[in-house]
Amino acid sequence: GIQVEQSPPDLILQEGANSTLRCNFSDSVNNLQWFHQNPWGQLINLFYIPSGTKQNGRLSATTVATERYSLLYISSSQTTDSGVYFCAAPRGGSGAGSYQLTFGKGTKLSVIP
Amino acid sequence: GAVVSQHPSRVICKSGTSVKIECRSLDFQATTMFWYRQFPKKSLMLMATSNEGSKATYEQGVEKDKFLINHASLTLSTLTVTSAHPEDSSFYICSARDPRQGAGWNTEAFFGQGTRLTVV
Repeated sequence: GIQVEQSPPDLILQEGANSTLRCNFSDSVNNLQWFHQNPWGQLINLFYIPSGTKQNGRLSATTVATERYSLLYISSSQTTDSGVYFCAAPRGGSGAGSYQLTFGKGTKLSVIP
Repeated sequence: GAVVSQHPSRVICKSGTSVKIECRSLDFQATTMFWYRQFPKKSLMLMATSNEGSKATYEQGVEKDKFLINHASLTLSTLTVTSAHPEDSSFYICSARDPRQGAGWNTEAFFGQGTRLTVV
């Protein structure tokens, strides 16, 4: 199955700073998602982005499918951005029937005032 | 986006008892749902795929007799942890894809709030 690697594993930011989180995947994909897990464990959908660039407020994401990576940008970070960010891709890559998602190990972000 | 609701959000049970966790798709029908387990400070690991009207598909190493899955309707899947032991304590999360976005696997997955199980 696909391998999903995220970097960095931990990140500490001063409030207001910008950051880039990276997700590398070992196979071609036609489905990639970014999530934010809040302190209560809830997974919040950030982006469904198999390719291209999307923006939502202070967050944006870019997936370069041909080079097998995706980036999540957080600008003007706030303390409420703290938590763990996961990317996930279909277990079988772009193969048929890849319903199940494989998650990376996550990036733990701490934004300090 | 689609709404997936999980209940309870937190449960404490005694060792040897069974616990049932419900996962509902509130505004769409889901023929397939997914159950994940997350250990502290770790990533999500798929446990099983729940199929409406048929048997669940379990991942390698997951005991099907320990983790009973029932997907009796198009909006409800349940996970029952049978004869729970302290090592079953974990965070369990369910997921489903919204078929209104299109058919198949190239659609966005949505997650329930999760259930934190503590076995004492």
